[in-house]
Amino acid sequence: QKEVEQDPGPLSVPEGAIVSLNCTYSNSAFQYFMWYRQYSRKGPELLMYTYSSGNKEDGRFTAQVDKSSKYISLFIRDSQPSDSATYLCAPYSGGYNKLIFGAGTRLAVHP
Amino acid sequence: KAGVTQTPRYLIKTRGQQVTLSCSPISGHRSVSWYQQTPGQGLQFLFEYFSETQRNKGNFPGRFSGRQFSNSRSEMNVSTLELGDSALYLCASSWNSGTGKGAQYFGPGTRLLVL
Repeated sequence: QKEVEQDPGPLSVPEGAIVSLNCTYSNSAFQYFMWYRQYSRKGPELLMYTYSSGNKEDGRFTAQVDKSSKYISLFIRDSQPSDSATYLCAPYSGGYNKLIFGAGTRLAVHP
Repeated sequence: KAGVTQTPRYLIKTRGQQVTLSCSPISGHRSVSWYQQTPGQGLQFLFEYFSETQRNKGNFPGRFSGRQFSNSRSEMNVSTLELGDSALYLCASSWNSGTGKGAQYFGPGTRLLVL
């Protein structure tokens, strides 16, 4: 079993839709949870960063962590074509900077 | 503040050659990590350096090595290149000293093609 599981998609939605991206993980030591966005042929860009369980909102983006079920979610409201990218979850135990990435979900938002 | 920079951006090599990639972290960041990204394996951790010391290493063969300089700039080297080494090599920097939050900021990557 992989430490982090993420459906690679692709996920195709119309502009304005609410998007839900999810990951599951197996390591209880993970305390920090990051979401990265990666556009084609670019490096990953840090999108959201949460600690422990709970929700965090930043504009149209909401990150949700449920440590009891080891489930991570990223919601995108009012999705835009510019949101078309690959979204990677990366839980982290707080050790020496070793991020474990999910496979990434490819999202396409069409006008 | 300038972001993470990586050079070169693109590289073509042949099997058996060696290659050196360079990374300059965000000013003030002392930790530099390297990752390999391929379509089949995704993003995989190579190693992490802090204050010129390697603190963590992923499951890659000894052909992959790295170092960090006193100004926090880092290089990674791959010797005896194989076709399977073709990938996007990403560098990430963070302020983290190993005890905390570790938000990492990535550079644009070096795309390596081995023929």
